[in-house]
Amino acid sequence: DTGVSQNPRHKITKRGQNVTFRCDPISEHNRLYWYRQTLGQGPEFLTYFQNEAQLEKSRLLSDRFSAERPKGSFSTLEIQRTEQGDSAMYLCASSLRTGRDEQYFGPGTRLTVT
Amino acid sequence: DQQVKQNSPSLSVQEGRISILNCDYTNSMFDYFLWYKKYPAEGPTFLISISSIKDKNEDGRFTVFLNKSAKHLSLHIVPSQPGDSAVYFCAASVGWGKLQFGAGTQVVVTP
Repeated sequence: DTGVSQNPRHKITKRGQNVTFRCDPISEHNRLYWYRQTLGQGPEFLTYFQNEAQLEKSRLLSDRFSAERPKGSFSTLEIQRTEQGDSAMYLCASSLRTGRDEQYFGPGTRLTVT
Repeated sequence: DQQVKQNSPSLSVQEGRISILNCDYTNSMFDYFLWYKKYPAEGPTFLISISSIKDKNEDGRFTVFLNKSAKHLSLHIVPSQPGDSAVYFCAASVGWGKLQFGAGTQVVVTP
């Protein structure tokens, strides 16, 4: 069990640029979640997938954000035209939808928009 | 709309004593509750969970208590160890989906 991995771990970008993050879930997990965490707050839900289907998106997820999970394996989160308010830790989690659905988190990608 | 609240931003406890972390929620539809621990520069690590059909769940040094009528849950850590120093998040969900987190409680275990 290699756990959830995320790349890159850190990203510094200039305002207006596009960025893409990748998440590789635990291999047998069929659910994948994206969260965003800012300083002093708990993670906030952005979106989640069951297999390749995107089942829910938060109203926090503006049209500049898009997420995909092709073939139900890894997932990417893209932010277009980044703004300074997008600076945060982006966390990915996965779970196996059974009777117990604990979500297991990756280490996160720290985004800084200058 | 903060539906999960952790009102104590920090807690200091002596090694060997009990740590009690509290969490309140407002959404009566929540039926699954979890606690996560987070070290700096790492993602949250799952600790323990409880379904709304139970009022207690125990796993080693960690016990979670759920009081549905008060919409309150707590995490007890006995005995506290230096490695328990971290930020603890309470989380809740409706069914098996997105988690809503509290703001976290920083626990410091002193010698």
